[in-house]
Amino acid sequence: DTAVSQTPKYLVTQMGNDKSIKCEQNLGHDTMYWYKQDSKKFLKIMFSYNNKELIINETVPNRFSPKSPDKAHLNLHINSLELGDSAVYFCASSQEGRGLGNTIYFGEGSWLTVV
Amino acid sequence: SQQGEEDPQALSIQEGENATMNCSYKTSINNLQWYRQNSGRGLVHLILIRSNEREKHSGRLRVTLDTSKKSSSLLITASRAADTASYFCATDDWGYQKVTFGTGTKLQVIP
Repeated sequence: DTAVSQTPKYLVTQMGNDKSIKCEQNLGHDTMYWYKQDSKKFLKIMFSYNNKELIINETVPNRFSPKSPDKAHLNLHINSLELGDSAVYFCASSQEGRGLGNTIYFGEGSWLTVV
Repeated sequence: SQQGEEDPQALSIQEGENATMNCSYKTSINNLQWYRQNSGRGLVHLILIRSNEREKHSGRLRVTLDTSKKSSSLLITASRAADTASYFCATDDWGYQKVTFGTGTKLQVIP
């Protein structure tokens, strides 16, 4: 059983479109994240939710809007896609989000290509 | 900016050799973790070392932490082709609620 699953795995779309990436975790964790990994493999946190509440919102354009309907789901909606949004987006979860050293479990990533 | 920087950026060794990767960070931390990322996959947690620990082992992995130098090293002994992956250190900043990843070391183990 996949612990953190995200869909779609691959997404190719045109500039200006709106797209969503869905994420679900079955680990019973309280905290979920979205990370962005660019072409140089830099992995940067975008958002973090704890029990459906937004606790980290890095300097991400407001075209990116996370939504957490319940603590097992954290979806990412992106409006007006730009070429620079092309990257791999990772959903992740952990039991405790306060940096106390809990393991972060990652999904397999969603490869977004904007053309 | 990235908290951790790995060194070297890339490393190529023969199977059976040991691989050492280093991570330097900038601010005080609670813990440091190492993750592995196989090509086209998500990151997988390998090992965690707390700020009051100096060394930790897990199977063929040995991690050291020097808080005075703000650095950590990951040693993989008797490497295997299956160890080929990118390795990232991750720190959680004292007082902050997030884990920040380093720039990664790409390891290639040649059979």
